[in-house]
Amino acid sequence: DAGITQSPRHKVTETGTPVTLRCHQTENHRYMYWYRQDPGHGLRLIHYSYGVKDTDKGEVSDGYSVSRSKTEDFLLTLESATSSQTSVYFCAISEDEETGELFFGEGSRLTVL
Amino acid sequence: GQNIDQPTEMTATEGAIVQINCTYQTSGFNGLFWYQQHAGEAPTFLSYNVLDGLEEKGRFSSFLSRSKGYSYLLLKELQMKDSASYLCAVRDSNYQLIWGAGTKLIIKP
Repeated sequence: DAGITQSPRHKVTETGTPVTLRCHQTENHRYMYWYRQDPGHGLRLIHYSYGVKDTDKGEVSDGYSVSRSKTEDFLLTLESATSSQTSVYFCAISEDEETGELFFGEGSRLTVL
Repeated sequence: GQNIDQPTEMTATEGAIVQINCTYQTSGFNGLFWYQQHAGEAPTFLSYNVLDGLEEKGRFSSFLSRSKGYSYLLLKELQMKDSASYLCAVRDSNYQLIWGAGTKLIIKP
C-alpha cells in the first residue's frame, strides 16, 4: 500500500473558524491532490501540486488554499469554514501525471456546524 | 461541458456477472480509469484503458470504445466483498481527471 496518511480523520468545527487538513506521503511522489467527495457528485478537485511550492487550482477551489513546503506534505486550509464545506476530503498522490494511477489517503470527514 | 454518466445503483446476485457502464463527454481523452470504493473507505485503483478494447485482470475486465465515448467494467463470479461503489474517471486533454458520481453495486446472496 502507498504510504499516505491524512490528519485529522474526523473534525467537527463551527462556521467561521479556520481548519487545516494535512496530507503526508512517504512515496516521494511528485503530484499531490486534494479532492472533496459529496453524495451525488463525483470526486471534485480542489487544488493540486506538481512539486514543492508549485500548486494550482482545481474546479472547486473557492474558499480553500494549499501549501506544499516539503515533498511529503500537502496542507489544505479553509480560512473561514462554511457549512457548504462539510464533506469528506481525500488526498491523493501520483508519480506520473500522464498515465499514473492515483493512490488515496483514508479521507478526512469534516463537519461544519 | 464535461460529463461522466454511470448508473447510480445496481443489484446483482452472488456468483453472477455484472456489467457497469460509463459514458463520457470530455475535452480530449488521455485514458479512462475504474476505481473501487467500499463504504467509508478510500477509492482503490482497478483498471486503466487508453486504447480501444478489453483489458482483463482476474475476475475484473474493463472495455473501452473511444469513438463511442463508452466504457464498461465487467465483474465475474461475484462475491459479497464486491459490494462497493465503482467510480469511472476520464483524463482530459489537460491531464485532469473528471469523475463520475459512482455506481453503488449491491450483491445479494
